[in-house]
Amino acid sequence: GDSVTQMEGPVTLSEEAFLTINCTYTATGYPSLFWYVQYPGEGLQLLLKATKADDKGSNKGFEATYRKETTSFHLEKGSVQVSDSAVYFCALTVLFKGAQKLVFGQGTRLTINP
Amino acid sequence: NAGVTQTPKFQVLKTGQSMTLQCAQDMNHEYMSWYRQDPGMGLRLIHYSVGAGITDQGEVPNGYNVSRSTTEDFPLRLLSAAPSQTSVYFCASSPIRTGAGNTIYFGEGSWLTVV
Repeated sequence: GDSVTQMEGPVTLSEEAFLTINCTYTATGYPSLFWYVQYPGEGLQLLLKATKADDKGSNKGFEATYRKETTSFHLEKGSVQVSDSAVYFCALTVLFKGAQKLVFGQGTRLTINP
Repeated sequence: NAGVTQTPKFQVLKTGQSMTLQCAQDMNHEYMSWYRQDPGMGLRLIHYSVGAGITDQGEVPNGYNVSRSTTEDFPLRLLSAAPSQTSVYFCASSPIRTGAGNTIYFGEGSWLTVV
């Protein structure tokens, strides 16, 4: 079935370090891909998305490129800040009984130290 | 805009009690859904609705009921709470008639503990 696999956390980095969180997926058809972020004590917020192969989503300095050939959607940021500490979820949408459903990865907890 | 509003944010229940988690959205979205978030498992779909009067089961529906009498509201009912229902619950909504890749908007979550 459809699934998303994220790199296991937790991930701890120093401020201004380069970040990569790996995400690969298995899906039939051509899903849309998303990264959601959950800050401590808050709900999920959409960080970025890509709806077709080779699309690049970007927001707040984060980027991810939809790679159909490697079924990947890795999240990157060139210089992380303490305020980026959060849990990051990779997800894809699939049709489920005629409506779209999000399939989530297990989440990666990121901690940035000053 | 309020977006998706969930209440309560925190709740402690005793085993066997019932309760309702409220969810409302002001974006006129047809599609609404409930997910639960458990450690190491991401989010799993409990129930969803594609419009007023239409609901269906997701991946983990047992122990939960939903109804959709209006476009705006989609309450989730726990009929007889069990410790296994201790979780964080998220309500979500999106339009469904504009194709794939629609952004799904989430509420802030409801932290539920069943003792």
